Amino acid sequence: NAGVMQNPRHLVRRRGQEARLRCSPMKGHSHVYWYRQLPEEGLKFMVYLQKENIIDESGMPKERFSAEFPKEGPSILRIQQVVRGDSAAYFCASSFDRGGETQYFGPGTRLLVL
Amino acid sequence: GNSVTQMEGPVTLSEEAFLTINCTYTATGYPSLFWYVQYPGEGLQLLLKATKADDKGSNKGFEATYRKETTSFHLEKGSVQVSDSAVYFCALMPRNNNDMRFGAGTRLTVKP
Repeated sequence: NAGVMQNPRHLVRRRGQEARLRCSPMKGHSHVYWYRQLPEEGLKFMVYLQKENIIDESGMPKERFSAEFPKEGPSILRIQQVVRGDSAAYFCASSFDRGGETQYFGPGTRLLVL
Repeated sequence: GNSVTQMEGPVTLSEEAFLTINCTYTATGYPSLFWYVQYPGEGLQLLLKATKADDKGSNKGFEATYRKETTSFHLEKGSVQVSDSAVYFCALMPRNNNDMRFGAGTRLTVKP
């Protein structure tokens, strides 16, 4: 049973470009979460999605950031017009159910904005 | 609101030393508690968890006990190894939602 998969593992973008980060949850998991980790800091929750629905996006910046989890295919975290401050590691996690269920993390995508 | 406070690092120990990383939490109700470990350049791996008061989570020689009276979930290991060098995160998840909160992380370095 493959774990949570994320790609790309490393992504370099210039200021103003778009970044697309992909996450495939563990088999059988329908709950996906995105977190951001700034250098030398802990993880900050961004958004929680189920298939075709955004359940909680309270941690998402109001502009330039969006997320989706379509019926088919991976979850996508999209950052438009990236700025240097977006440079961070972005982790995806998935769980089987909600409320107390263990979240399993992917290896992360490290975004560097030049 | 819910939050987790863990011991600031970095922590440097010699091999075979005893490890304690303190973690306390603030939450309404009875959350599930977790310790995750992050090795350099990798994602977070679940180390252990406890879902109710007095439960003890254990894995790879690490232990943590869910203490409701002190709202704590301290991580311990009797004899650390160089391979335990990593960043350790304490986390909580409320019973009724997925709003997982992480501590800031504690970097552990074990020297031979």
